[in-house]
Amino acid sequence: NAGVTQTPKFQVLKTGQSMTLQCAQDMNHNSMYWYRQDPGMGLRLIYYSASEGTTDKGEVPNGYNVSRLNKREFSLRLESAAPSQTSVYFCASSGLGGNSYNEQFFGPGTRLTVL
Amino acid sequence: QKEVEQNSGPLSVPEGAIASLNCTYSDRGSQSFFWYRQYSGKSPELIMSIYSNGDKEDGRFTAQLNKASQYVSLLIRDSQPSDSATYLCAVSGGYNKLIFGAGTRLAVHP
Repeated sequence: NAGVTQTPKFQVLKTGQSMTLQCAQDMNHNSMYWYRQDPGMGLRLIYYSASEGTTDKGEVPNGYNVSRLNKREFSLRLESAAPSQTSVYFCASSGLGGNSYNEQFFGPGTRLTVL
Repeated sequence: QKEVEQNSGPLSVPEGAIASLNCTYSDRGSQSFFWYRQYSGKSPELIMSIYSNGDKEDGRFTAQLNKASQYVSLLIRDSQPSDSATYLCAVSGGYNKLIFGAGTRLAVHP
């Protein structure tokens, strides 16, 4: 099992460009998440999908959109990138049931720089 | 605003010592508590989960939970240089979500 995979690993954009970050999981998890991590700020939730067909805003959703394409895949789109969106982006998934329902497992991350 | 607080560190301990990492949280309704380890440039890795008051041991790691005091801790016995990383505390924040602390950086020196 690959777990949670993300593409690309690195990306440099110019202000105003758009891009989509891809995430896939093969653990049959129901819930998927997008976080950003900035120095000293910890992990902040951008959007999440509790189950296939649903998406909800997290703590910092402005400037982003998401799509839960199917149970495996959850993408994050930046429509018009801004320098403030320079960050490391992590995708995570969870939802095996029982006490482990909230255990989240993370992908390797995407390092995004917006010039 | 639900919050999770951690001392940013660095916490410096000698090899072989016990490292003690602490976390407090604001939401009394939280039911699930987690510790993640994150090496520099890597993604967070789940190392411990705890759901009830008391201690939970897994190898060199012990998680301690006190819901009345809203306090979670992680003890690392016989600390090794390979334990040097940032440790993130996470607390359930309602409906499948987790609230993360900013992390404590641990440095284990030979």
